[in-house]
Amino acid sequence: NAGVTQTPKFRILKIGQSMTLQCAQDMNHNYMYWYRQDPGMGLKLIYYSVGAGITDKGEVPNGYNVSRSTTEDFPLRLELAAPSQTSVYFCASSHRGGYGYTFGSGTRLTVV
Amino acid sequence: GENVEQHPSTLSVQEGDSAVIKCTYSDSASNYFPWYKQELGKGPQLIIDIRSNVGEKKDQRIAVTLNKTAKHFSLHITETQPEDSAVYFCAASGKTSYDKVIFGPGTSLSVIP
Repeated sequence: NAGVTQTPKFRILKIGQSMTLQCAQDMNHNYMYWYRQDPGMGLKLIYYSVGAGITDKGEVPNGYNVSRSTTEDFPLRLELAAPSQTSVYFCASSHRGGYGYTFGSGTRLTVV
Repeated sequence: GENVEQHPSTLSVQEGDSAVIKCTYSDSASNYFPWYKQELGKGPQLIIDIRSNVGEKKDQRIAVTLNKTAKHFSLHITETQPEDSAVYFCAASGKTSYDKVIFGPGTSLSVIP
């Protein structure tokens, strides 16, 4: 039972570079979320999706984009990396909106 | 929007003692209150949750209490063990809005053997 799989686990980007953080779940969950975690700040919602083809902004969406072409995958795109995007990124999924999240193990991103 | 505060930010207890983490929320429409445990290098994991129609819920050494009038809820861990050492997050969620699962800033719990 893989649950939620995130890749890569670590990444260093230069300012202005782009990258995609991958997230896949095998639980047939409709709801998927991207959070960022900064020290002492808890988890902030970036984007979420309620099903394939449907996405919406969370609390801190600026500088990010998402797509949801399948139920399983929910990639997060950073187009022009900035130092403020240095953070740990977590993907999560749930069977019902807002309830009982299953989190991935995270991607630690550093922008230099 | 919803705001969740959490105290204390760090907590150290002796093995076998109890630990209590307290959270307050601002949106009276919130009706679901989960608690997540995050071990070092891992993603958060749901450990217990409570809905607004329940005042207390217990699962072995872990219990959560909710006071809707005061808009606060607490996590109680009894007979703490070293493996309870982790960061704990409280959260609050509204009835229908997926983007309103708001997390507290976290409490780093250390259980000293």
